Parts: sequence; C-alpha cells; structure tokens
Amino acid sequence: GENVEQHPSTLSVQEGDSAVIKCTYSDSASNYFPWYKQELGKRPQLIIDIRSNVGEKKDQRIAVTLNKTAKHFSLHITETQPEDSAVYFCAAYTGFQKLVFGTGTRLLVSP
Amino acid sequence: DTEVTQTPKHLVMGMTNKKSLKCEQHMGHRAMYWYKQKAKKPPELMFVYSYEKLSINESVPSRFSPECPNSSLLNLHLHALQPEDSALYLCASSQVWGPASTDTQYFGPGTRLTVL
Repeated sequence: GENVEQHPSTLSVQEGDSAVIKCTYSDSASNYFPWYKQELGKRPQLIIDIRSNVGEKKDQRIAVTLNKTAKHFSLHITETQPEDSAVYFCAAYTGFQKLVFGTGTRLLVSP
Repeated sequence: DTEVTQTPKHLVMGMTNKKSLKCEQHMGHRAMYWYKQKAKKPPELMFVYSYEKLSINESVPSRFSPECPNSSLLNLHLHALQPEDSALYLCASSQVWGPASTDTQYFGPGTRLTVL
C-alpha cells in the first residue's frame, strides 16, 4: 500500500541548533519527495523537494537527502530560527500518481 | 499570478444546506486537486482533475461533488454534509498530472468548513 511514516511527531530545539526530520515510504515506485511547511491557520508551502534521480539537495539552511534503497528521506535545517517554528510534512508521489503525506512534525524553536 | 486562491475563507453550514467551495489559479496549470485536512492531521487527497477531467476520486462520499468548469476553476459542491465533514478543504494545482510528471503542487489557503 501507500504509506509514509514521519518521525519525530514533535521536535523542540534551541535557536541556532540543527533539526532533522525523517520519513520512510512504502511504495518503491515513488519518484518525487516534497517537503511542506504549514504555519498555524495557513496553507502548506513547499520548502524543498527532491526527485528520485538525486541523492541530496540543498537550499541555504535547508537540505534534503534521499536513500532509495532504504526508502527513506530526511529534512535537515541548520541554524534554526524562531520563524522556523511550524508543522513540517514530508510527502511521496506514489506510483499511483498520488501525493501521500507523512503525519507531520511540529517543530518548536526557542529563542 | 503565482497563487492559488480559494473562497470563501470560512463557511458554516447546516446539515441540510447546499453550498459550494471555489478554487482558482491563473498559472496555466492543467491539474487541480481537492484535499481535506482535519486538525493536527496531514492533507488527504479527495479528487484529482487533469485537463478538466476527473482522474482520481478517492472513494469520497457523493455528498461531495467536484466540478472543473475550465482549466482555471475548480469547485466543490457540498450537500447534506455531516458534522464529521468539518475540516480545512485545500485546493492545489500543478502544471500537469500523470505517471511521468513530478510537478510541484501549490496549495491555496483553504476553506475552513464547519458543519452544524
């Protein structure tokens, strides 16, 4: 079936620390992995994505890694800031052409 | 215009009412989506339209009726809803949809629906 597991569900860090969120997918035909940030009461916003022919992608303080063999991918945020506080969702675009989301990680960055 | 817009922002309706949610994009995207998001949960796919044709219906109850009148507009008609249908309804769009496509989906701000 199509399933995306995401850990941890809650992550508290101090400003300036790094944060890592991990996801595992079940459908080996999945080929696209976006990460969305959703602030309270707002729309999910794409922050970074990676396609299956790439192992790593970086955009300033944000990086994503993909291990296709193990079927897992991770989001890394360095030098966290209070405005990074939000819910982060990983997602996988499956072989059935559906975007399936992980359960979400609530990130809290304390000043 | 690089945004997906949705109206209304909030909607309260009774179980016997008929209402519609509207979504619009002017990015030239040919795929549009409806998602349902309950509090503290991820978005869940309801419908996919590709080139104005319904391509995926995730076994959604018939009290939800989607419509895609043209490539820029997507509606969701609501009738005889239940209180458990209360949720944030998100619209999204992408350039195209299909097995060879890995296009980014852009989300609208959502309509927060409350069914009394």
